[in-house]
Amino acid sequence: GENVEQHPSTLSVQEGDSAVIKCTYSDSASNYFPWYKQELGKRPQLIIDIRSNVGEKKDQRIAVTLNKTAKHFSLHITETQPEDSAVYFCAASMGLTGGGNKLTFGTGTQLKVEL
Amino acid sequence: GAVVSQHPSWVICKSGTSVKIECRSLDFQATTMFWYRQFPKQSLMLMATSNEGSKATYEQGVEKDKFLINHASLTLSTLTVTSAHPEDSSFYICSVAVGQGGYTFGSGTRLTVV
Repeated sequence: GENVEQHPSTLSVQEGDSAVIKCTYSDSASNYFPWYKQELGKRPQLIIDIRSNVGEKKDQRIAVTLNKTAKHFSLHITETQPEDSAVYFCAASMGLTGGGNKLTFGTGTQLKVEL
Repeated sequence: GAVVSQHPSWVICKSGTSVKIECRSLDFQATTMFWYRQFPKQSLMLMATSNEGSKATYEQGVEKDKFLINHASLTLSTLTVTSAHPEDSSFYICSVAVGQGGYTFGSGTRLTVV
């Protein structure tokens, strides 16, 4: 089955700096790669996603890049703010090929944005 | 659209008792639901895939007789933790694929077994 690795496990940045979180996946059939932000005790919130036919996607301060050959994808947050502090999870699935495909999560990154 | 309602949001039960968690799709039909468990400071780990009208598919290491899943209709899936023990205390959350690769999540259930 799919295996998703995520680094780093913790990341501390100064407000205004950029943050980068990286993930690798094992199953070349995976075609959907979302990123989630999770507050303590809450459901994961989708912040951005990318599909396998796209190499990069940007939404304001957040961007995701995908390298299918190397099977890795990264989350980039620019101009970080204290409210960006949270746990971030990457995930992978074959969701584009049908609704019965499970989502496999990475191990998570605790991002702390310091003033 | 694509809202999944999960209840209860939290529950405390005594060791040895059973607890039922419900996930209901409010505005769409869900032939498949996914059940995850999340221990403190850990990732979401898939427990099982719930299929409407058929048996659930459990991930390796998950006891199917302990975590009973029923998906009797296209809008409701339930997870019953039987004979709960303190080590079953966790955050349980359901999810449904909503097309174009996306997923929606229930609000989660915090289970504490005392």
